[in-house]
Amino acid sequence: KNQVEQSPQSLIILEGKNCTLQCNYTVSPFSNLRWYKQDTGRGPVSLTIMTFSENTKSNGRYTATLDADTKQSSLHITASQLSDSASYICVVRWYSSASKIIFGSGTRLSIRP
Amino acid sequence: DTAVSQTPKYLVTQMGNDKSIKCEQNLGHDTMYWYKQDSKKFLKIMFSYNNKELIINETVPNRFSPKSPDKAHLNLHINSLELGDSAVYFCASSPEGLANGEQYFGPGTRLTVT
Repeated sequence: KNQVEQSPQSLIILEGKNCTLQCNYTVSPFSNLRWYKQDTGRGPVSLTIMTFSENTKSNGRYTATLDADTKQSSLHITASQLSDSASYICVVRWYSSASKIIFGSGTRLSIRP
Repeated sequence: DTAVSQTPKYLVTQMGNDKSIKCEQNLGHDTMYWYKQDSKKFLKIMFSYNNKELIINETVPNRFSPKSPDKAHLNLHINSLELGDSAVYFCASSPEGLANGEQYFGPGTRLTVT
């Protein structure tokens, strides 16, 4: 069964600290993986996209990694800011007879001053 | 200059009623989607339209009917609302289909069925 699991479910850190969010998937054959940021009361916004051949990709203070062999991805946030408080959702696409997409349940990140 | 807009933002209604949610995108994208986000925060795709044609129709009750008058609009009509329909519904669009295109999401419509 194709699944996307994220951990932790929630995380609280102090402003300025770093953190890493995890995403494990069982999807096959893999197409690409995106990390989205969803602020409270808003729709998700894409942070990064990674394909099979990419190991790491950065977007400012956000760095995503992908290990396609172990089917794991992580999102590392450096020098966290209060505005980083949001849910971070891992989204995996695969292709069988048609393109498919599955969302993880997200990690709720809270940054405290 | 909102890219993907939805109306209304909040919708409170009673069981058995029929309601519609409207979505418009001004990005010139060919593909639009409807998602449901339940209380556990899982986002699940419901429908996808490409140039006004239905290309994805996941297993949702037939009480839900999408309507696309043109490629910039994708409305969601729900008949005979049930308590379990309470959720946040997101509209999204993408320049390409589901394979590669980044999706741009609207702000969501919180539907509460009492």
